[in-house]
Amino acid sequence: GAVVSQHPSRVICKSGTSVKIECRSLDFQATTMFWYRQFPKQSLMLMATSNEGSKATYEQGVEKDKFLINHASLTLSTLTVTSAHPEDSSFYICSASFQNTEAFFGQGTRLTVV
Amino acid sequence: AQKITQTQPGMFVQEKEAVTLDCTYDTSDQSYGLFWYKQPSSGEMIFLIYQGSYDEQNATEGRYSLNFQKARKSANLVISASQLGDSAMYFCAMRAKGGKLIFGQGTELSVKP
Repeated sequence: GAVVSQHPSRVICKSGTSVKIECRSLDFQATTMFWYRQFPKQSLMLMATSNEGSKATYEQGVEKDKFLINHASLTLSTLTVTSAHPEDSSFYICSASFQNTEAFFGQGTRLTVV
Repeated sequence: AQKITQTQPGMFVQEKEAVTLDCTYDTSDQSYGLFWYKQPSSGEMIFLIYQGSYDEQNATEGRYSLNFQKARKSANLVISASQLGDSAMYFCAMRAKGGKLIFGQGTELSVKP
């Protein structure tokens, strides 16, 4: 099946620094990718829809200046958490759909801001 | 607005027995897709099964089957012959406009030996 690779799987950063998370579709072209955030014991909440070659669409309440999304190619979308703070510590996971069927997810990134 | 509801925060099942995880949904769309994902403690999202709104038969994938009752707007997941490795969080999801997924609250399944 289609594979989506997310990197890094874990990252610890200092408060005030920025962190970039990559999401790659390895064997298919993804014009649209999705970024979700998940707090412990909670559900996945959509943060934004990443569109290749255009601006991302952010969900209500998500700060677009804090969570920068770039979808420069059909196989790569990046999420940058800028000026990270401890409350940004969470599990971030991307997904991409292939031929409008199931959504394939990356492995997820556990971000800890200290 | 579309919504997915999972009313069972936690479930226990004895090994080798069957278990049903509940999921109800709300949508005004005529065409929609419903998914079930398994999320172990590692965090990865593992696709289990898909049901399209126009599929006449209930979806099955090995030990997983989806009890789709369109009139009741329910899409319950049935796991047969539970195994210890089935212990995980399970999420029901609906594909919304644009391809994004809307997830339910999740059910934590624990399989007892």
